[in-house]
Amino acid sequence: RKEVEQDPGPFNVPEGATVAFNCTYSNSASQSFFWYRQDCRKEPKLLMSVYSSGNEDGRFTAQLNRASQYISLLIRDSKLSDSATYLCVVRFNTGGFKTIFGAGTRLFVKA
Amino acid sequence: EAGVTQSPTHLIKTRGQQATLRCSPISGHTSVYWYQQALGLGLQFLLWYDEGEERNRGNFPPRFSGRQFPNYSSELNVNALELEDSALYLCASSLGNLGQGGEQYFGPGTRLTVT
Repeated sequence: RKEVEQDPGPFNVPEGATVAFNCTYSNSASQSFFWYRQDCRKEPKLLMSVYSSGNEDGRFTAQLNRASQYISLLIRDSKLSDSATYLCVVRFNTGGFKTIFGAGTRLFVKA
Repeated sequence: EAGVTQSPTHLIKTRGQQATLRCSPISGHTSVYWYQQALGLGLQFLLWYDEGEERNRGNFPPRFSGRQFPNYSSELNVNALELEDSALYLCASSLGNLGQGGEQYFGPGTRLTVT
């Protein structure tokens, strides 16, 4: 089993739609969680950290479920500019912090 | 403020050769991370350097090595190149220990092609 698993997609949605991505992780000792965004042929950039209580940043909402070991990202009112690959990131301490990236979920928002 | 920079942008090598990739972190950042992103795959952690020392290593063979210089810039060396080494190599830097919840900032990457 991969340490971090994501549905690769692609998700094809119309503008204005709400779309949700899930990500599962295998290490129960995972301590920090993030969503990164990677545009085609560009470097990943931090979208948002994921906190235990859940957090929101504009149209983006992130949730963490430690009991079931998954995190989610909800995008409301999708924009064309949201088209990208969304990477789930998990960090844990194994005698030195290790950061594991999921393979990413591709999103295409259509006009 | 200048971001993470990497050089070269593209690198073409033949099988069996050695490749050297370079990374300059954001000013003031002491930690540098190297990742491999093969086509269609996620980022695979390669190496982490902090304060000039290797702190952690991913599941890659010893022919992947590197170092961090006193100015915190870093070099990734790949010896005895194989075709499967063709990938985008991303460098990231962070301010201090990621255990404190710091963010990693990525450079634009070096695209290595092995023929």
